[in-house]
Amino acid sequence: SYELTQPPSVSVSPGQTARITCSGDALPKKYAYWYQQKSGQAPVLVIYEDSKRPSGIPERFSGSSSGTMATLTISGAQVEDEADYYCYSTDSSGNHRGVFGGGTKLTVL
Amino acid sequence: QVQLVQSGSELKKPGASVKVSCKASGYTFTSYAMNWVRQAPGQGLEWMGWINTNTGNPTYAQGFTGRFVFSLDTSVSTAYLQISSLKAEDTAVYYCARELGAYDYWGQGTLVTVSS
Repeated sequence: SYELTQPPSVSVSPGQTARITCSGDALPKKYAYWYQQKSGQAPVLVIYEDSKRPSGIPERFSGSSSGTMATLTISGAQVEDEADYYCYSTDSSGNHRGVFGGGTKLTVL
Repeated sequence: QVQLVQSGSELKKPGASVKVSCKASGYTFTSYAMNWVRQAPGQGLEWMGWINTNTGNPTYAQGFTGRFVFSLDTSVSTAYLQISSLKAEDTAVYYCARELGAYDYWGQGTLVTVSS
């Protein structure tokens, strides 16, 4: 079955740039989406269609995709950005089957 | 405003069944697909599948066939997840999420605990 691979953890100091990657064979043809999940809360969409930011999401969140890798970048990470981040995409079967990456714990301290 | 409100926590014994509801408001229910996502304790998000809110046609992810059933009642803008023959490993938070490409709104999650 299709898989998306993320690093388990990323750690930065406040104000630094955090980059979280997501690799998958179908990403050249399928969009990547990114979700932030804080402890005990439902996930929140932070990036859709590789690089678009929903209203209300701070500008420091950006996304990009090249080849088989999508990247979430948090420029000037804040303490409140500490959370789990999940990428999501669909496989190339044409049957609209989704998959989440394993998640990346972002620590900002 | 858009809201997805899920039913409350459930404590069930192994072998029992559970039905989780997800009531939508603030938008046209049939304009968005509804997806279901599982999160076991301390684990990541797992895509369970989705249901076409126009046709009622469900699609299940691998590992969620047989005991898992998605259904709708469009008259009350509500999606349902039913799990039968519950096992301890079904203990998790279950989320509904509306989709139009992205999952832009999520329910608050329903904790299902399976324990004897």
